[in-house]
Amino acid sequence: DIQLTQSPSSLSASVGDRVTFTCRASQSIARYLNWYQQKPGKAPKLLIYGASSLHSGVPSRFSGSGSGTDFTLTISSLQPEDFASYFCQQSHGTLGFGQGTKVELK
Amino acid sequence: QVQLQESGPGLVKPSETLSLTCAVSGFSISSGYYWGWIRQPPGKGLEWIGHIYHSGGTDYNPSLKSRVTISFDTSKKQFSLKLSSVTAADTAVYYCARVTGAPETRRFDSWGQGTLVTVSS
Repeated sequence: DIQLTQSPSSLSASVGDRVTFTCRASQSIARYLNWYQQKPGKAPKLLIYGASSLHSGVPSRFSGSGSGTDFTLTISSLQPEDFASYFCQQSHGTLGFGQGTKVELK
Repeated sequence: QVQLQESGPGLVKPSETLSLTCAVSGFSISSGYYWGWIRQPPGKGLEWIGHIYHSGGTDYNPSLKSRVTISFDTSKKQFSLKLSSVTAADTAVYYCARVTGAPETRRFDSWGQGTLVTVSS
């Protein structure tokens, strides 16, 4: 099975900050990588698919990049509603998720 | 706009079968897409359980395959999950979701609100 490792597991940031976190796959998954946002007690929401395509309705401050084994999700200017956990998910073979990065208020 | 809603018992005894249903509104299951289940143990990450295609074909997580069955109801307005021989490790929030994309690009674009299932005697 392909393992996804997200880093950091948590980070503290302020409104307006540019934040970037990573997802590393245990083997190449081309660009078959999606990102989700999850707030406490809520279902995840799809943000990015195919490594860099923005899902419908997602603000343009979210962007994704990468291919092969290394991927990043960037929030260009953190907004109050962006404090949440973020999960990556690969679709190359058995579907799987990373363990998440929690973005907290500094 | 598609909406999904999980329902089922919140408490299941060890060794018994967990049964959940996902009602779909705003979209006809028969029209296409895959329909899946994902779970999340309290405070932990997400785990894909499996999904079913509108034609009835299924795909399961190998780690759960021997215990999982996903099926449609006869009206195809909802789909269900059965997980047999449950243990405390199966305690989780269970989500149903719509799965979109080609086989190598599968992603979950609409989710139910989730339902907590606790396995305990």
